Amino acid sequence: DGGITQSPKYLFRKEGQNVTLSCEQNLNHDAMYWYRQDPGQGLRLIYYSQIVNDFQKGDIAEGYSVSREKKESFPLTVTSAQKNPTAFYLCASSRISGNEQFFGPGTRLTVL
Amino acid sequence: GIQVEQSPPDLILQEGANSTLRCNFSDSVNNLQWFHQNPWGQLINLFYIPSGTKQNGRLSATTVATERYSLLYISSSQTTDSGVYFCAVNTGNQFYFGTGTSLTVIP
Repeated sequence: DGGITQSPKYLFRKEGQNVTLSCEQNLNHDAMYWYRQDPGQGLRLIYYSQIVNDFQKGDIAEGYSVSREKKESFPLTVTSAQKNPTAFYLCASSRISGNEQFFGPGTRLTVL
Repeated sequence: GIQVEQSPPDLILQEGANSTLRCNFSDSVNNLQWFHQNPWGQLINLFYIPSGTKQNGRLSATTVATERYSLLYISSSQTTDSGVYFCAVNTGNQFYFGTGTSLTVIP
């Protein structure tokens, strides 16, 4: 089955700890994206990657870091510098940058 | 960045009713997508529609790029249509999302 997987589905962390969220796709898409969604809000772009070994900041990149070492993988690290990390995180991919996006099921992060 | 406004913010319908959701955007866009977010948070692709009209079963969408708006029509609504509907516009490499229309369909 082709698609996008995110793990874990739920994640709990103590304040001050870094945490890494996984995103994998087997759609052979070049572009991948990370979004954050807060309750009752739309999605805001954290980082995006147009191709392997390249990524750019979105509107709310502060306190986050990413890597793109493989085409199918785009992990997101939420660092202790992120002031309000509790949110729903969604990963997406598209065949090329700017084309139709497809989303994974999301990870709900709660920082205690 | 570009501003994306959706209306209405909330909508309650009786099962079987029709509805129109609107998405306005503040600048020229390359692409536009409509999504349905289900109660579990999954975003489901409805339409990829930078311009023109498309139909898929009871749903259809029209984008008038020159006037900077898109409409999503839902006919004969069902309880499974409940959820939040988002439009997202693309101006290059980034997509910008509206704040959504929350739809509740009651039996």
